[in-house]
Amino acid sequence: DGGITQSPKYLFRKEGQNVTLSCEQNLNHDAMYWYRQDPGQGLRLIYYSQIVNDFQKGDIAEGYSVSREKKESFPLTVTSAQKNPTAFYLCASSRPDRGYEKLFFGSGTQLSVL
Amino acid sequence: AQKVTQAQTEISVVEKEDVTLDCVYETRDTTYYLFWYKQPPSGELVFLIRRNSFDEQNEISGRYSWNFQKSTSSFNFTITASQVVDSAVYFCALSEDRGGSNYKLTFGKGTLLTVNP
Repeated sequence: DGGITQSPKYLFRKEGQNVTLSCEQNLNHDAMYWYRQDPGQGLRLIYYSQIVNDFQKGDIAEGYSVSREKKESFPLTVTSAQKNPTAFYLCASSRPDRGYEKLFFGSGTQLSVL
Repeated sequence: AQKVTQAQTEISVVEKEDVTLDCVYETRDTTYYLFWYKQPPSGELVFLIRRNSFDEQNEISGRYSWNFQKSTSSFNFTITASQVVDSAVYFCALSEDRGGSNYKLTFGKGTLLTVNP
């Protein structure tokens, strides 16, 4: 079955540590996205990528980095510069990056700070 | 600037009750898209419906129905005869499509619906 796989489901970060969240899709979608969800809040866009080897900052990109070396993969690194990383992170994809396209989501990664 | 407001933070109903989730949006564009997504306890958001700004017809899908009213900038979602499996967080979202890749998708803060047996 096609879908989006995020791993790990739970992740803990120590002070000053970088951590990487994995996102893989087999839907053959061109566009991929990373969203951050805080309790009682909507989703906020961190980064998005329309094609391989290209990505753009979203609304809250500071303290995060991404890469898009393969169509199927869009890993997110939470760097030590992100001072408040505790949140639920959702990866999504869509066919092209267009306003009318529905998003397909992974099951998320809960990141917590030790 | 576009904005989506879901004023109901939490709603609790008893099974078989009807429930309406409110969504009010703000946009300056004439072409836009509205979405509803469901987030069950498992975490992933599931697409429910998309409506473009030129189509004001209401839609019914089984126990789900949507009421789009441009005059009041609202896109409300009604679940008829609610079931425990409907318990989830529901998000309304707005996308302004300006052509190419120049668009922005804005989510509301979500409504937590709890359906009690």
